[in-house]
Amino acid sequence: AQTVTQSQPEMSVQEAETVTLSCTYDTSENNYYLFWYKQPPSRQMILVIRQEAYKQQNATENRFSVNFQKAAKSFSLKISDSQLGDTAMYFCASPDVQGAQKLVFGQGTRLTINP
Amino acid sequence: DTEVTQTPKHLVMGMTNKKSLKCEQHMGHRAMYWYKQKAKKPPELMFVYSYEKLSINESVPSRFSPECPNSSLLNLHLHALQPEDSALYLCASSQGGGWLGNSPLHFGNGTRLTVT
Repeated sequence: AQTVTQSQPEMSVQEAETVTLSCTYDTSENNYYLFWYKQPPSRQMILVIRQEAYKQQNATENRFSVNFQKAAKSFSLKISDSQLGDTAMYFCASPDVQGAQKLVFGQGTRLTINP
Repeated sequence: DTEVTQTPKHLVMGMTNKKSLKCEQHMGHRAMYWYKQKAKKPPELMFVYSYEKLSINESVPSRFSPECPNSSLLNLHLHALQPEDSALYLCASSQGGGWLGNSPLHFGNGTRLTVT
């Protein structure tokens, strides 16, 4: 089974800066996926980016990229050129076990982008 | 725009009331989920339906009763709730009947429930 840990309850940066959110996990699975979800004040959970453990290359989606360190079991999210609309709760998540329908979430990081 | 639609957006109910939360998706997804989220906490899984059959019940109290009338609709019937049940209730769907890696969750905007 997975465990997911986010050690930064809150972060705050200025607009246009780069920010990195940390996530560590622990698993006994051979293959697994990792996700970052964003939850703005509108409340909808939005998938930001996902990474398959078998893939060496770090996933990238526009301004969002991950630093996936499989040996260290680390999955950090980097937001470049941050925008006011990036203000949200960010959750790191992974399926509980391979093939599972249950996501295990970290405790979340509240990110504030200041003008 | 959300592709998973939840109604109502807000609901206030007394402990003796019966109410229902509704969720609808038209993406052809075959798995649908109910999550409960307390303030400043991650979502907690409650129920999963795969191909219109209940596949996961995370030991949820019987005062919460899910229903999946068809592959596009998911209801959560509420009866005799407690004030501690006040929370944001999120519905989600995924394409396949399992393996979230290949078919990530799509969430709705949630229903903010207050039990008085």
